[in-house]
Amino acid sequence: ELKVEQNPLFLSMQEGKNYTIYCNYSTTSDRLYWYRQDPGKSLESLFVLLSNGAVKQEGRLMASLDTKARLSTLHITAAVHDLSATYFCAVDMAGTGNQFYFGTGTSLTVIP
Amino acid sequence: ETGVTQSPTHLIKTRGQQVTLRCSSQSGHNTVSWYQQALGQGPQFIFQYYREEENGRGNFPPRFSGLQFPNYSSELNVNALELDDSALYLCASSLGRGFEQYFGPGTRLTVT
Repeated sequence: ELKVEQNPLFLSMQEGKNYTIYCNYSTTSDRLYWYRQDPGKSLESLFVLLSNGAVKQEGRLMASLDTKARLSTLHITAAVHDLSATYFCAVDMAGTGNQFYFGTGTSLTVIP
Repeated sequence: ETGVTQSPTHLIKTRGQQVTLRCSSQSGHNTVSWYQQALGQGPQFIFQYYREEENGRGNFPPRFSGLQFPNYSSELNVNALELDDSALYLCASSLGRGFEQYFGPGTRLTVT
């Protein structure tokens, strides 16, 4: 069974600081996704990473993928309060076609 | 272009009852997946429908069943509700297997 682990589970950081969220997965995957979820809301797509070495950036967030290490990172630069949310990575197990396995989530709180 | 919609938004059921949740996929999307997200956890894959046929199932008992209609909308049915079925149920649609999924707003089910 595919397992997806994120760490940390909870992250409290001050505005202006940098930090990285890690996502490890246990088997071969075609692609990896990052989502944001605000309390009581659905999932908002942030990044789709399709190949080894892929790097994508949007604003203060940058995601990367190392398929050999089965590791993805979500780096936060100069955090602002609006980034407070829960972040999930999701892995699309090879050959299943969009049957996602989600990580445990990282609850991020940015303190002014 | 309308996005993925789900109904109802919220509902409350009693243990042992049956419930049907509905999902309208984004225009042109022939693949719908359903996920269960318990409070404080990541979404868990229930099953996927592709062109009206089940195309994969997660670790959920048979009392979770579904349908996809010719217009690619979908239903999730849960029989003999249990307290642990209380969760946010998300559906996601895509242009096909292997394409990016777009999530609906979810249905919050409470079982008492």
